[in-house]
Order: sequence, then structure tokens, then C-alpha cells
Amino acid sequence: ILNVEQSPQSLHVQEGDSTNFTCSFPSSNFYALHWYRWETAKSPEALFVMTLNGDEKKKGRISATLNTKEGYSYLYIKGSQPEDSATYLCAVDSGGFKTIFGAGTRLFVKA
Amino acid sequence: DTGVSQNPRHKITKRGQNVTFRCDPISEHNRLYWYRQTLGQGPEFLTYFQNEAQLEKSRLLSDRFSAERPKGSFSTLEIQRTEQGDSAMYLCASSPGQGNSPLHFGNGTRLTVT
Repeated sequence: ILNVEQSPQSLHVQEGDSTNFTCSFPSSNFYALHWYRWETAKSPEALFVMTLNGDEKKKGRISATLNTKEGYSYLYIKGSQPEDSATYLCAVDSGGFKTIFGAGTRLFVKA
Repeated sequence: DTGVSQNPRHKITKRGQNVTFRCDPISEHNRLYWYRQTLGQGPEFLTYFQNEAQLEKSRLLSDRFSAERPKGSFSTLEIQRTEQGDSAMYLCASSPGQGNSPLHFGNGTRLTVT
């Protein structure tokens, strides 16, 4: 059974702080990893999809890395802003139909 | 691209009643998914359609849950004889089914069973 773990569960930072979260998954039967941002009262929005070991993706102040051999991905936010406050979801495809989600990291950025 | 649309946004029902939710995916997307999300948890997979065919259904889904996607377009999720434990956010997502395409989510239907 594919189990996707995210840590921390929640994070409170000050505006301007840089922060990072972790997503862990079984390294066997890995196909792709997705990061989503889910703001309150909105729908989850795709940030990145990564497939290859060592992949790095960047979108503005947000970046992500992938290590498929050890089964983890990091999401980094540089210079957090209040509008970055959201739940960040990690999801893993193992080549079947299901995309399995972690419980998410809830980020609160205080101005 | 009008996005994935879900109706209703909120539903309050009494225990024992039946409810039905609708999802209109992005028109050119052939894959459609239903997920359920409860407080403190990530989206939990319920079922998946490739066009009109329901290809997978979670073992967690009781017989009270049924989903359809007639003609491979919109989908409905019905819950019969609702229980308080069914209270959750029900999310629909679609994707074009190419490679590693991400899921495109609707805003969800929040169900409260009293």
C-alpha cells in the first residue's frame, strides 16, 4: 500500500522567512510526484510534477527537489509572503490510476 | 478552459437521506476522479473513470456509494442512507490522461450530515 507522509503538519513563519517541507514515499514502484497548493475556499492548484531522480523545479520563489532512490521530495519557499499561506499537498503516482496524497503541510505566514 | 465545476458547493442533509453530487470536468479531459477529504487529512481516492468506464473503486467505499459517468462527460456521485461519518469535502478532478499530467480540481462539495 502506497503511503505518502508529509512533515511538518503545520508551520507558522514570519513574512520574509524561508521555509521548507518534506514529502516521503516508498521508493519502489515510483512513477511521478506532484506538489499542489490548496488555498482556503479554492481548489488545489498544481505547482510541480517531477519524475526523475535529481529533478529540480522552480516557479518564482517556490522550488522543489526529488530523490527517488531514498524516497523524498522537498518543497522550498524563499522569502515567504502572506499570500503563500495555504496547504501544500504532495501526491505520488505509482503507475496505476490512483494518485495518492499526503495529509499536507499547512503554512501560515504572518505579516 | 472553464475549469472543473462541482455542484452543489455545500449540502446539509439529515442522516439516512440520499444525496447526489455532480461534477463537470474540463471538456477535453478523458480521466475523472473523485476524492474525499476530511479535516487534517489529504484527499483520499474514491474512484476513477476513463471516459465512461469506471476502472477503479476504493475498497474504502461502501456499497452506499455509487458513481456514474454517462457518455464520458459529467459525473455524479451518489451516497445512499447517509451517515454522520460521510461528512467531508468531496473533490472531483480531471486530467487529459497524458503522461504525468496533473489533476485539475473543482472547488468541491462540502457535505454535512446531521
